[in-house]
Amino acid sequence: GNSVTQMEGPVTLSEEAFLTINCTYTATGYPSLFWYVQYPGEGLQLLLKATKADDKGSNKGFEATYRKETTSFHLEKGSVQVSDSAVYFCALRANNNDMRFGAGTRLTVKP
Amino acid sequence: NAGVTQTPKFRVLKTGQSMTLLCAQDMNHEYMYWYRQDPGMGLRLIHYSVGEGTTAKGEVPDGYNVSRLKKQNFLLGLESAAPSQTSVYFCASSYSRGGRLQPQHFGDGTRLSIL
Repeated sequence: GNSVTQMEGPVTLSEEAFLTINCTYTATGYPSLFWYVQYPGEGLQLLLKATKADDKGSNKGFEATYRKETTSFHLEKGSVQVSDSAVYFCALRANNNDMRFGAGTRLTVKP
Repeated sequence: NAGVTQTPKFRVLKTGQSMTLLCAQDMNHEYMYWYRQDPGMGLRLIHYSVGEGTTAKGEVPDGYNVSRLKKQNFLLGLESAAPSQTSVYFCASSYSRGGRLQPQHFGDGTRLSIL
């Protein structure tokens, strides 16, 4: 079946450090891929998405590239801020209503 | 903008009690979803709806029922609560544009504890 595996946390970084959160997927067909962010006490918010191979999603300094050859969609940011502290979820949608989420990676950025 | 609103935000139940979680969206979205979020497991889809009057099972539907009598509301019911249903529940909604389903909008969640 369809599934998403993402890097286990927690991840703790200093401000301005480089961030990578790994995400790989298993799916039939050609899924759309997403990164969602969840701040404390809130629901998930879409961070970025990519709908086909080699697409790069980007938002707020975060980037992820849809790599079909490695079935990956790793999240990166060149310089994290304290305000980026949150839980990040990788997700895929293989058909209109089959949405699968990874377990989430908690990021803490220290000043 | 209200977006997706979940009611209540917190609730504690005893085993065997019943309750209904309400999700309301004001964006005229056709699609609505109920998820549960458990530690180390991400979100799992319980039930979803592709339009008013329609519902379908997701990945973990057992022990839950849903209804979509009005387009803007999606209700999640627990007929006889069990401790295994202790979780944070999220509602989401979405719409289709140009034949493509758009990303989901999430509510802030309902934290439910079953004693």
